[in-house]
Amino acid sequence: QVQLVESGGGLVKPGGSLRLSCATSGFSFSDYYLSWVRQAPGKGLEWLTYISGDSFTKYYADSVKVRFTISRDNAKNSLYLQITSLRVDDTAVYYCARGRPAALWGQGTLVTVSS
Amino acid sequence: DIQMTQSPSTLSASVGDRVTITCRASQSISIWLAWYQQKPGKAPKLLISKATTLETGVPSRFTGSGSGTEFTLTISGLQPDDFATYYCQQYNSHPTWTFGQGTKVEIK
Repeated sequence: QVQLVESGGGLVKPGGSLRLSCATSGFSFSDYYLSWVRQAPGKGLEWLTYISGDSFTKYYADSVKVRFTISRDNAKNSLYLQITSLRVDDTAVYYCARGRPAALWGQGTLVTVSS
Repeated sequence: DIQMTQSPSTLSASVGDRVTITCRASQSISIWLAWYQQKPGKAPKLLISKATTLETGVPSRFTGSGSGTEFTLTISGLQPDDFATYYCQQYNSHPTWTFGQGTKVEIK
């Protein structure tokens, strides 16, 4: 079954760190660009970062490029997002997505940053 | 970075109506534009890629047009299942991809 499943979200205090994971199955993982997109409560979609199949190309939105790091493990068919110095305005559902543009999405994982 | 501006932000329509959503890019993105549909609590669904290419399984009442900086999504004969929020996204090239702010299509 072709799918993306995010995990790693939860309640975190401001200033903390988090590593989100996206486990994939059912397709040739290394063939695809993968992205992270987030959506704050009641807000629109915000593209955060993408990574090429060989990890050679990585780009970030200006708003997150200092604190967010995307990576992938092609042996484990998994995508990751490391977030540091979490802020209240990082509270959002974080989605991983496959392709350029994103034709396949996970169900999202909720990150809540609050003291 | 390329900015995407969608209009309107909200659109009230009735079943059977023809509706049009516009997306403007701050610089030319050729045809590298996608349209997504999102329903509450769900992940976005890709409807159209490369400005005009309908994804498999998407009803033909959805039509995309445009190139360069001006793009439109038209829904011909709005159905109850179409009430949702729609986003455009440019994926022209490196380094960044950008979403529009979204258009909510609601029942009149």
